[in-house]
Amino acid sequence: ETGVTQSPTHLIKTRGQQVTLRCSSQSGHNTVSWYQQALGQGPQFIFQYYREEENGRGNFPPRFSGLQFPNYSSELNVNALELDDSALYLCASSTSGGLGETQYFGPGTRLLVL
Amino acid sequence: QKEVEQNSGPLSVPEGAIASLNCTYSDRGSQSFFWYRQYSGKSPELIMFIYSNGDKEDGRFTAQLNKASQYVSLLIRDSQPSDSATYLCAVNNAGNMLTFGGGTRLMVKP
Repeated sequence: ETGVTQSPTHLIKTRGQQVTLRCSSQSGHNTVSWYQQALGQGPQFIFQYYREEENGRGNFPPRFSGLQFPNYSSELNVNALELDDSALYLCASSTSGGLGETQYFGPGTRLLVL
Repeated sequence: QKEVEQNSGPLSVPEGAIASLNCTYSDRGSQSFFWYRQYSGKSPELIMFIYSNGDKEDGRFTAQLNKASQYVSLLIRDSQPSDSATYLCAVNNAGNMLTFGGGTRLMVKP
């Protein structure tokens, strides 16, 4: 167990809807990163938050957005859901964004878009 | 495009053998390297990280890094059926953002 929690564990939505996923970081960690993992593939970086500011973004469209709160927990919001958004969404927490800081993953939220 | 490549497998080894998992990366500026294990339906679990050229050992696991060849490997000694999982190689390029390979599926047969 890493101390990183995510909710909900599973979610079913229909195309065009909006979804919010939540993550609580491990105690002492101030950086949260979000990843999308499609079936049979490695995780792909969506974005990272450090001290409530976006600290980098991968190749995902603007309908993927996020927030980090003062307690370092975070949300991932996805608007206008598409079928290809069906995936495991992973949150990882780490300490201050220095190069090489180890990221610890939560259990993930499995999203199915119908 | 910064890439991390892994053979998807499956890599099948008998119980007690050494499993060798390999990973190459494209960004010469990469400075830290991670191996994660992922069981089916679960999230990635950190096994090891390595920053410097050479070998790093932790129990039955040894990570090897060769920056000149842009190559990282993970050796698992005395493989057990419980080691059967997908092994993900990840590279930290900048700002704590990880680029993952597609993973290698390892099967350890009793």
